[in-house]
Amino acid sequence: DIQMTQSPSTLSASVGDRVTITCRASQSIGSWFAWYQQKQGKAPKLLIYKASTLQSGVPSRFSGSGSETEFTLTISSLQPDDFATYYCQQYSSHYTFGQGTKLEIK
Amino acid sequence: QVQLLESGGGVVQPGGSLRLSCAASGFSFNSYFMHWVRQAPGKGLEWVAVISYDGTKKYYADSVKGRFTISRDSSKSTLDLQMNSLRVEDTAVYYCAKPAATRVDYYYMDVWGKGTTVTV
Repeated sequence: DIQMTQSPSTLSASVGDRVTITCRASQSIGSWFAWYQQKQGKAPKLLIYKASTLQSGVPSRFSGSGSETEFTLTISSLQPDDFATYYCQQYSSHYTFGQGTKLEIK
Repeated sequence: QVQLLESGGGVVQPGGSLRLSCAASGFSFNSYFMHWVRQAPGKGLEWVAVISYDGTKKYYADSVKGRFTISRDSSKSTLDLQMNSLRVEDTAVYYCAKPAATRVDYYYMDVWGKGTTVTV
C-alpha cells in the first residue's frame, strides 16, 4: 500500500504569511494527487487535483506543485478563512490520505 | 445542484450491525464510481470502500474487509454501506464521496456529503 506522509502536523502562522505544506508518497504516484481543506465539523473540500490544478472556485492564493513522490501546497498570503486542516491524497493505486496538517493562527 | 446526503448513523454495541445510506442527486449517479470515507474523532481521513458505476467492482480497505459491504441502487440513486461485526475503532463520521470523472476508478473526489456519525 502507498503511504502518504504530511509535514508539519501543525503549523502556526499569521494572516498575510506565506505557508507551505509538504506531502511525501512512499512510492511514485505520478501526478495522481490531490489536496483537500477541512474545517471543524465540515466535510472535506477539494482544493487541488492532479498535483497542481486548482479546483474551480478556489482562490488563486492556493497553489500546488510536485510529482512522483514529493508534493507541496502553498498558500501565498494567508487569509482568516484559511485556518483549517489540510489533507493530501493519492489516487494512483487505491486511495490514501495523509495524516493532516492543522493550520493555526499564531 | 450536486448533492450527497448520508443517513443511518447511530449508536451500536460492539459486534452489532448498522446500514448507512447516501442519497445522490443532481448528477448521473449511474455513471460514477462512489466512495465511502470515514474520520474517527480527532483523526484524519480514511478511505473505506468504493463501488463501480455498474456495481460489478467493489474494493475495501483492509480494516473493514470481510465486515463491510458496499452496494448501490441505481433506480433510487442511493449508495449503501452495510457494516457488520462493528468494533470500537469503527467509531467515526462516515462520508460518501463522488469522483470527479465518470466511469473512472482511481480519481480525486470533488463532492462530499455532510457525513453521518457512527458510535460503537
